[in-house]
Formats: sequence, structure tokens, C-alpha cells
Amino acid sequence: DIVMTQSPLSLPVTPGEPASMSCRSSQSLLHSNGHNYVDWYLQKPGQSPQLLIYLGSTRASGVPDRFSGSGSGTDFSLRISRVEAEDVGVYYCMQVLQTPLTFGGGTKVEIK
Amino acid sequence: EVQLVESGGRWVQPGRSLRLSCAASGFIFGNYVMSWIRQAPGKGLEWVASIGGSTYYADSVKGRFTISRDNSKNTLYLQMTSVRDEDTAVYYCAKDMQQMAYWGRGTLVTVSS
Repeated sequence: DIVMTQSPLSLPVTPGEPASMSCRSSQSLLHSNGHNYVDWYLQKPGQSPQLLIYLGSTRASGVPDRFSGSGSGTDFSLRISRVEAEDVGVYYCMQVLQTPLTFGGGTKVEIK
Repeated sequence: EVQLVESGGRWVQPGRSLRLSCAASGFIFGNYVMSWIRQAPGKGLEWVASIGGSTYYADSVKGRFTISRDNSKNTLYLQMTSVRDEDTAVYYCAKDMQQMAYWGRGTLVTVSS
């Protein structure tokens, strides 16, 4: 099984400032088609998860452009260019290259 | 508008069975892979199973849970048998197996004696 490891566990942020988090996979998520099969989700308090990024760097419909995903192979990151108060919650990366699909443990973003 | 509404969650004793349902609307249900994901209280997300042309399961539920669908009723199911304490979780259904852009609100399953 592919293990997804996220860091940090907790990320205090200041509104208006950038924030970044990391996700590492135990195996390469780069497919022969050139795509990295990693998704990013945000679970706001009391809500269901919502898709932010797919294929490593493609923003989902309706996701603000302050969110960006990058990386390739086994190292990925999610960056928020200017954090807003509504961005608090737990961010999860998920590999969708092969079953069993696996999530990282999450990074909890909270306002300082 | 895509809507996914889970139901069937309840308290159940270890070793018993339970069936969850997910009613889908707003898209051509039969054309899409569907998935179940769960979240134990205070814990992270865990993929459980997906169904398209084939079925796929997490090792933790293989042989105990069965994912199925009725395309005529636009409904996804998760038959849970021999449930364990560690199956206690909110169970979400989601459209697709990758790029899961639509999730239900979840249904709570509590396994306890």
C-alpha cells in the first residue's frame, strides 16, 4: 500500500500571509501519462471534505486561485498565497494512483 | 445540482450487519464510479470501497463489506457484515474514485455492545 505522510500536523497561520504544507508518498505517483495522481481536500469544521486540487496541480471548479498544488513523484505541496479566515480546517492529500486509495493524516490549519 | 444523501447509519452491536444507502441525483448515476469513505470520530479520512465496472475494497473491510449499486434507483449501497468496534465512523459516499468533487453529508455508524 502507498503511505501518504503529511506535514506539519498543525499549521497556525496569519490572515493575509502565505501558508504551505507538504505531502510525501512512499511510492511515485507519477503515471506514464505524465500526470501525478494526487488530490487535495479540505475538510472545514463540521463539514464534508471538499476537493481543492486534482492531478497534483489542477484546481477544482470554484476553488479560489490563492490555492495551488505542486510537486511530482513522491513530494507534493499545497500552497495558499494569502490565507483567509474561511480557509481553516484539515487539509488531506490522497493518492489515487492505485487501490487501496490512501489519505495522508491531515494538516490542521488554524488562525493564530 | 448534484446531491448525495446517505442513510442507514445507526447503533449496531459487534458482529451484526447493517446496510447503508446513498441516494444520488443531479447526474447520470450509472455513468460514474461511486465510492464510500469513512471517518472515525476525531480521526482522518479512510477510503472504504469503490464501484464502477469492478469493485475495489480497503483491506480492512474486504470480505466483510460489499459495495453495490442499483442504477435504476440511482442508489449506492454498502452492506456491512461482521461489524467491529473499529468500524465506528461517519460514512460518506462520493461521486467518482478520483477527483471526488461531490460528497454527501455522511451517516454515522456506531458499533458498540
